[in-house]
Amino acid sequence: KAGVTQTPRYLIKTRGQQVTLSCSPISGHRSVSWYQQTPGQGLQFLFEYFSETQRNKGNFPGRFSGRQFSNSRSEMNVSTLELGDSALYLCASSLEAAYGYTFGSGTRLTVV
Amino acid sequence: GQNIDQPTEMTATEGAIVQINCTYQTSGFNGLFWYQQHAGEAPTFLSYNVLDGLEEKGRFSSFLSRSKGYSYLLLKELQMKDSASYLCAVRDEGNSGYSTLTFGKGTMLLVSP
Repeated sequence: KAGVTQTPRYLIKTRGQQVTLSCSPISGHRSVSWYQQTPGQGLQFLFEYFSETQRNKGNFPGRFSGRQFSNSRSEMNVSTLELGDSALYLCASSLEAAYGYTFGSGTRLTVV
Repeated sequence: GQNIDQPTEMTATEGAIVQINCTYQTSGFNGLFWYQQHAGEAPTFLSYNVLDGLEEKGRFSSFLSRSKGYSYLLLKELQMKDSASYLCAVRDEGNSGYSTLTFGKGTMLLVSP
């Protein structure tokens, strides 16, 4: 079966712009989590959605937001981009948080 | 919150055994995962422990002691392709009542010939 699909794979944006990233989970998975990965901080939890509801949110500013659609696909949005937002953004899906997470290949965002 | 500690880097020789330790502090422990991540790729699931003891899966084994807040990943018969970052992640039931998965910063393992 298809894995977790993230689009786009690479993105270059200018400071102040906004960006939307997309994640399509494994078919049947209703939980989608987003993580930001940087060399200094490792993987940091952004938020988790389950059946279109945000269940958990990490310690990120309000510029980071997300949503989940009825088909479980999820998007995350970052507004007013800053240089420090440059990172690999990873999406992970699971049947439930009680099971293992499968990660997508990520979106590499570069803010210039 | 959570605190997850693991060594930053380790080196080992092809064919050897290496143990990567992970210590954690959490209030609502609900499982521990190990992931492998090669440079430029997504993390891939290696193992899961929720009860104390050793879980073995081929060349990889993972151990958990909940009372000590301690886990290790044991890699046997090391191969060059095992050079990667190994991520310890703790599932914690937070204030929302739902679980989140929090990752350590990873241990970069370099396997040399």
